[in-house]
Amino acid sequence: GDSVTQMEGPVTLSEEAFLTINCTYTATGYPSLFWYVQYPGEGLQLLLKATKADDKGSNKGFEATYRKETTSFHLEKGSVQVSDSAVYFCALSKGGQGNLIFGKGTKLSVKP
Amino acid sequence: SQTIHQWPATLVQPVGSPLSLECTVEGTSNPNLYWYRQAAGRGLQLLFYSVGIGQISSEVPQNLSASRPQDRQFILSSKKLLLSDSGFYLCAWRATPEGSIYGYTFGSGTRLTVV
Repeated sequence: GDSVTQMEGPVTLSEEAFLTINCTYTATGYPSLFWYVQYPGEGLQLLLKATKADDKGSNKGFEATYRKETTSFHLEKGSVQVSDSAVYFCALSKGGQGNLIFGKGTKLSVKP
Repeated sequence: SQTIHQWPATLVQPVGSPLSLECTVEGTSNPNLYWYRQAAGRGLQLLFYSVGIGQISSEVPQNLSASRPQDRQFILSSKKLLLSDSGFYLCAWRATPEGSIYGYTFGSGTRLTVV
């Protein structure tokens, strides 16, 4: 079946470091891909999305490119801040009534 | 604009007591609705989803049930809570059917502690 695999956390970085969180997926057809962020004690917020191959989603300095050839949607940010500390979830969705399929989440801690 | 409300924000309940968590959506009609649970330090577990009034699909057999009495209202219930029901419960919605390209919108969650 369809699935999403994220790199295991936690990831600990110093402020202004470069961030990459790997995400790969398995799915038939052409899913839409998403990154969600969950700050401590809160619900999930949509961070960015891409709906077709080679699309780049971006928001708040974060970017991810939909790579169909490698079935990947890696999240990147050039310079992280303490306020980026959160859990990040990669997810995919297929058309029609298909539900969102989430990865297990990656916890990011950014130290000053 | 669409908004989603979830309450209460926190809840402490004794083992064996009943549970009722409510979620409502405004500004849209006929949404797909979802209940997720997140145990401490773990990922998201889909519990129930609904594509219409009175239509409930269960993903995981357990001590919980869900109901959708109105188009934009989704309720999570239990007759007798277990310690293992503790967790962070999240409600979400999405537009249908083309909403699959927009993802879900989540509520702010309910922190349930069963003691």
